[in-house]
Amino acid sequence: ETGVTQSPTHLIKTRGQQVTLRCSSQSGHNTVSWYQQALGQGPQFIFQYYREEENGRGNFPPRFSGLQFPNYSSELNVNALELDDSALYLCASSPRSSGSQETQYFGPGTRLLVL
Amino acid sequence: KQEVTQIPAALSVPEGENLVLNCSFTDSAIYNLQWFRQDPGKGLTSLLLIQSSQREQTSGRLNASLDKSSGRSTLYIAASQPGDSATYLCAVTPGAGGTSYGKLTFGQGTILTVHP
Repeated sequence: ETGVTQSPTHLIKTRGQQVTLRCSSQSGHNTVSWYQQALGQGPQFIFQYYREEENGRGNFPPRFSGLQFPNYSSELNVNALELDDSALYLCASSPRSSGSQETQYFGPGTRLLVL
Repeated sequence: KQEVTQIPAALSVPEGENLVLNCSFTDSAIYNLQWFRQDPGKGLTSLLLIQSSQREQTSGRLNASLDKSSGRSTLYIAASQPGDSATYLCAVTPGAGGTSYGKLTFGQGTILTVHP
């Protein structure tokens, strides 16, 4: 069984650019959640996708957007990058969207540096 | 708004010690609480999940307790080893019905160093 994978592992961008991060969920998992983790902080929930639709969003501006594809892989897009967007971006997959007591499975993350 | 706080922010202990990490949350309406481990620059690994109706969970040398009414959880690590060195994160799933599944609110973590 393949775990959650993310690409790229590291990325350097300049302020104002756009970035796309990718996540492949664990086999059989139809829900993907994205988190932003600034250095020295806990992860913050960005949004969740379930069966290709957004299913909840945290306190992030609209320039953070996402997609989920029919194979349940997902993308996180960030437009007009700001210095404060520098962080580790984590995705987590799970087999259900609600009512479950199962844990989520996290990928290794993408480290984004905005200069 | 749910807030999760972890104390201490960092902890350094000699190998073999038993230790306790603390987590508090402001809203007792939670679906479950989880403890995760994160190695430097890596993703998160789930250690223990406690449902809101449970009081504790155990896995090997780890024991986590939950007191929902007081908004507290503790993670107890017995006979600590250098391999336990990592950041430990506490996270709650908000809401009573599980519709917030997967939308975790995390604490800032406790950095644990176990030295030989």
